[in-house]
Amino acid sequence: GAVVSQHPSWVICKSGTSVKIECRSLDFQATTMFWYRQFPKQSLMLMATSNEGSKATYEQGVEKDKFLINHASLTLSTLTVTSAHPEDSSFYICSASGGMNTYEQYFGPGTRLTVT
Amino acid sequence: GNSVTQMEGPVTLSEEAFLTINCTYTATGYPSLFWYVQYPGEGLQLLLKATKADDKGSNKGFEATYRKETTSFHLEKGSVQVSDSAVYFCALKRGSTLGRLYFGRGTQLTVWP
Repeated sequence: GAVVSQHPSWVICKSGTSVKIECRSLDFQATTMFWYRQFPKQSLMLMATSNEGSKATYEQGVEKDKFLINHASLTLSTLTVTSAHPEDSSFYICSASGGMNTYEQYFGPGTRLTVT
Repeated sequence: GNSVTQMEGPVTLSEEAFLTINCTYTATGYPSLFWYVQYPGEGLQLLLKATKADDKGSNKGFEATYRKETTSFHLEKGSVQVSDSAVYFCALKRGSTLGRLYFGRGTQLTVWP
Protein backbone atom coordinates (compact mmCIF):
# COMPACT_ATOMS: atom_id res chain seq x y z
CA GLY A 1 0.00 0.00 0.00
CA ALA A 2 0.84 3.72 0.06
CA VAL A 3 1.94 4.02 -3.55
CA VAL A 4 2.64 7.39 -5.13
CA SER A 5 3.07 7.78 -8.86
CA GLN A 6 4.39 10.63 -10.95
CA HIS A 7 3.79 11.39 -14.59
CA PRO A 8 5.69 11.82 -16.75
CA SER A 9 8.85 10.12 -15.57
CA TRP A 10 10.87 12.33 -17.86
CA VAL A 11 10.10 15.27 -20.10
CA ILE A 12 12.02 17.51 -22.47
CA CYS A 13 10.62 20.92 -23.32
CA LYS A 14 11.77 24.05 -25.08
CA SER A 15 12.62 27.29 -23.30
CA GLY A 16 9.59 29.47 -22.75
CA THR A 17 7.06 26.67 -22.71
CA SER A 18 5.20 25.31 -19.69
CA VAL A 19 5.20 21.75 -18.47
CA LYS A 20 2.89 20.02 -16.01
CA ILE A 21 3.93 17.20 -13.69
CA GLU A 22 1.33 15.05 -11.95
CA CYS A 23 1.61 13.37 -8.60
CA ARG A 24 -1.00 10.78 -7.63
CA SER A 25 -1.61 8.77 -4.51
CA LEU A 26 -2.89 5.45 -5.86
CA ASP A 27 -4.28 3.71 -2.82
CA PHE A 28 -4.82 6.33 -0.16
CA GLN A 29 -6.15 9.83 0.24
CA ALA A 30 -3.34 12.33 0.47
CA THR A 31 -4.32 15.25 2.63
CA THR A 32 -0.87 16.80 2.24
CA MET A 33 1.57 16.66 -0.64
CA PHE A 34 5.11 17.96 -0.83
CA TRP A 35 7.14 18.94 -3.88
CA TYR A 36 10.92 18.64 -3.83
CA ARG A 37 13.65 19.50 -6.26
CA GLN A 38 16.86 17.50 -6.45
CA PHE A 39 20.02 18.66 -8.19
CA PRO A 40 22.69 16.14 -9.21
CA LYS A 41 24.65 14.86 -6.24
CA GLN A 42 22.72 17.17 -3.94
CA SER A 43 20.00 16.90 -1.40
CA LEU A 44 16.29 17.17 -1.89
CA MET A 45 15.13 20.73 -1.41
CA LEU A 46 11.54 21.29 -0.38
CA MET A 47 9.78 23.64 -2.77
CA ALA A 48 6.26 23.75 -1.37
CA THR A 49 3.68 22.03 0.77
CA SER A 50 0.11 21.72 -0.35
CA ASN A 51 -3.02 20.66 1.46
CA GLU A 52 -6.04 19.51 -0.48
CA GLY A 53 -8.29 22.40 -1.34
CA SER A 54 -5.89 25.06 -0.06
CA LYS A 55 -3.22 27.22 -1.60
CA ALA A 56 0.26 25.81 -1.47
CA THR A 57 2.80 27.13 1.02
CA TYR A 58 6.06 27.88 -0.76
CA GLU A 59 9.51 27.77 0.76
CA GLN A 60 11.58 30.91 0.83
CA GLY A 61 13.21 31.61 -2.50
CA VAL A 62 10.75 29.53 -4.57
CA GLU A 63 8.86 31.60 -7.12
CA LYS A 64 5.19 30.80 -6.70
CA ASP A 65 4.30 32.34 -10.06
CA LYS A 66 6.81 30.14 -11.80
CA PHE A 67 6.07 26.89 -10.01
CA LEU A 68 2.30 26.59 -9.86
CA ILE A 69 1.02 23.91 -7.53
CA ASN A 70 -2.54 22.68 -7.51
CA HIS A 71 -3.89 20.11 -5.06
CA ALA A 72 -7.45 19.91 -6.26
CA SER A 73 -8.30 16.44 -5.02
CA LEU A 74 -7.21 14.01 -2.33
CA THR A 75 -5.35 11.89 -4.86
CA LEU A 76 -3.82 14.39 -7.26
CA SER A 77 -1.43 17.30 -7.08
CA THR A 78 0.15 19.00 -10.05
CA LEU A 79 3.27 21.10 -10.45
CA THR A 80 3.39 23.36 -13.48
CA VAL A 81 6.70 24.92 -14.42
CA THR A 82 5.77 28.03 -16.36
CA SER A 83 7.97 29.71 -18.95
CA ALA A 84 10.63 27.11 -18.38
CA HIS A 85 14.32 27.95 -18.69
CA PRO A 86 17.36 25.67 -18.85
CA GLU A 87 18.12 26.43 -15.19
CA ASP A 88 14.79 24.80 -14.29
CA SER A 89 16.18 21.48 -15.52
CA SER A 90 16.17 19.21 -12.53
CA PHE A 91 14.67 16.15 -10.90
CA TYR A 92 11.31 16.89 -9.29
CA ILE A 93 9.98 14.57 -6.60
CA CYS A 94 6.65 14.61 -4.84
CA SER A 95 5.63 12.96 -1.62
CA ALA A 96 2.24 12.45 -0.07
CA SER A 97 0.91 11.79 3.37
CA GLY A 98 -2.48 10.68 4.62
CA GLY A 99 -4.40 7.44 4.94
CA MET A 100 -3.72 5.13 7.85
CA ASN A 101 -0.33 6.60 8.73
CA THR A 102 -0.98 10.31 8.64
CA TYR A 103 2.53 11.34 9.59
CA GLU A 104 4.45 9.21 7.09
CA GLN A 105 5.52 10.64 3.75
CA TYR A 106 5.44 8.37 0.70
CA PHE A 107 7.56 9.38 -2.24
CA GLY A 108 6.93 9.26 -5.95
CA PRO A 109 9.65 8.03 -8.33
CA GLY A 110 10.44 11.52 -9.57
CA THR A 111 10.27 13.38 -12.89
CA ARG A 112 13.37 14.35 -14.83
CA LEU A 113 12.80 17.73 -16.55
CA THR A 114 15.19 18.92 -19.23
CA VAL A 115 14.66 22.35 -20.73
CA THR A 116 16.47 22.99 -24.01
CA GLY B 1 18.20 25.94 12.25
CA ASN B 2 17.66 22.39 11.11
CA SER B 3 20.19 20.62 8.92
CA VAL B 4 21.67 17.23 8.18
CA THR B 5 25.27 16.51 7.28
CA GLN B 6 25.96 13.20 5.65
CA MET B 7 29.23 11.64 4.63
CA GLU B 8 30.00 12.15 1.00
CA GLY B 9 30.19 9.26 -1.34
CA PRO B 10 30.46 7.37 -3.38
CA VAL B 11 31.06 4.38 -1.16
CA THR B 12 32.22 1.23 -2.89
CA LEU B 13 32.32 -2.07 -1.02
CA SER B 14 32.68 -5.74 -1.74
CA GLU B 15 29.81 -8.05 -0.91
CA GLU B 16 29.68 -9.04 2.78
CA ALA B 17 31.70 -6.01 3.86
CA PHE B 18 30.68 -3.85 6.81
CA LEU B 19 28.93 -0.60 6.00
CA THR B 20 28.86 2.67 7.92
CA ILE B 21 27.40 5.88 6.54
CA ASN B 22 27.82 8.78 8.93
CA CYS B 23 25.07 11.27 9.58
CA THR B 24 25.02 14.18 12.01
CA TYR B 25 22.32 16.72 12.53
CA THR B 26 21.56 20.15 13.87
CA ALA B 27 18.07 20.77 15.14
CA THR B 28 16.01 22.70 17.59
CA GLY B 29 13.99 20.64 19.99
CA TYR B 30 13.75 16.89 19.65
CA PRO B 31 13.64 15.79 16.04
CA SER B 32 12.71 12.46 14.57
CA LEU B 33 15.47 10.92 12.44
CA PHE B 34 15.17 8.85 9.29
CA TRP B 35 17.12 6.95 6.71
CA TYR B 36 15.64 6.73 3.23
CA VAL B 37 16.90 4.60 0.36
CA GLN B 38 16.53 5.34 -3.34
CA TYR B 39 17.07 2.45 -5.73
CA PRO B 40 17.80 3.28 -9.37
CA GLY B 41 14.71 4.57 -11.13
CA GLU B 42 12.57 4.44 -8.01
CA GLY B 43 11.28 6.86 -5.41
CA LEU B 44 12.64 7.27 -1.92
CA GLN B 45 11.60 4.55 0.48
CA LEU B 46 11.72 4.78 4.23
CA LEU B 47 14.40 2.40 5.46
CA LEU B 48 14.25 3.04 9.19
CA LYS B 49 13.50 5.71 11.73
CA ALA B 50 13.93 6.70 15.36
CA THR B 51 11.83 9.21 17.20
CA LYS B 52 13.69 9.74 20.46
CA ALA B 53 17.15 9.59 21.96
CA ASP B 54 18.71 6.12 22.29
CA ASP B 55 16.08 4.58 20.02
CA LYS B 56 17.48 2.13 17.50
CA GLY B 57 15.81 1.85 14.12
CA SER B 58 16.35 -1.33 12.16
CA ASN B 59 15.18 -2.88 8.92
CA LYS B 60 16.58 -5.34 6.34
CA GLY B 61 19.77 -5.76 8.37
CA PHE B 62 20.40 -2.01 8.58
CA GLU B 63 20.56 -0.27 11.94
CA ALA B 64 20.93 3.27 13.22
CA THR B 65 20.89 4.59 16.78
CA TYR B 66 19.67 8.06 17.73
CA ARG B 67 22.55 9.58 19.71
CA LYS B 68 21.56 12.89 21.22
CA GLU B 69 24.91 13.49 22.90
CA THR B 70 26.76 13.32 19.59
CA THR B 71 23.78 14.48 17.45
CA SER B 72 24.35 11.50 15.20
CA PHE B 73 22.34 8.80 13.45
CA HIS B 74 24.90 6.66 11.64
CA LEU B 75 23.66 3.89 9.35
CA GLU B 76 25.30 0.47 9.67
CA LYS B 77 24.98 -2.96 8.15
CA GLY B 78 27.12 -5.91 9.05
CA SER B 79 27.22 -7.59 5.65
CA VAL B 80 26.16 -5.74 2.53
CA GLN B 81 24.78 -7.36 -0.59
CA VAL B 82 24.86 -6.31 -4.22
CA SER B 83 21.14 -5.55 -3.92
CA ASP B 84 21.93 -2.86 -1.33
CA SER B 85 23.45 -0.69 -4.04
CA ALA B 86 21.44 2.53 -3.91
CA VAL B 87 21.54 6.12 -2.69
CA TYR B 88 20.96 6.57 1.04
CA PHE B 89 19.56 9.76 2.54
CA CYS B 90 19.59 10.79 6.16
CA ALA B 91 16.77 13.11 7.16
CA LEU B 92 15.22 14.77 10.16
CA LYS B 93 11.80 16.06 11.02
CA ARG B 94 10.97 18.25 13.93
CA GLY B 95 8.90 16.34 16.43
CA SER B 96 6.79 13.38 15.43
CA THR B 97 3.96 15.14 13.68
CA LEU B 98 3.56 15.80 9.99
CA GLY B 99 6.08 18.34 8.86
CA ARG B 100 8.81 19.01 6.42
CA LEU B 101 11.78 16.71 6.13
CA TYR B 102 15.32 18.06 6.04
CA PHE B 103 17.57 15.83 3.95
CA GLY B 104 21.27 15.21 3.77
CA ARG B 105 22.95 15.14 0.38
CA GLY B 106 22.70 11.43 -0.07
CA THR B 107 25.42 8.80 -0.24
CA GLN B 108 25.78 6.56 -3.26
CA LEU B 109 26.60 2.99 -2.24
CA THR B 110 27.87 0.49 -4.79
CA VAL B 111 28.42 -3.11 -3.74
CA TRP B 112 30.48 -5.38 -5.99
CA PRO B 113 30.11 -9.15 -6.01
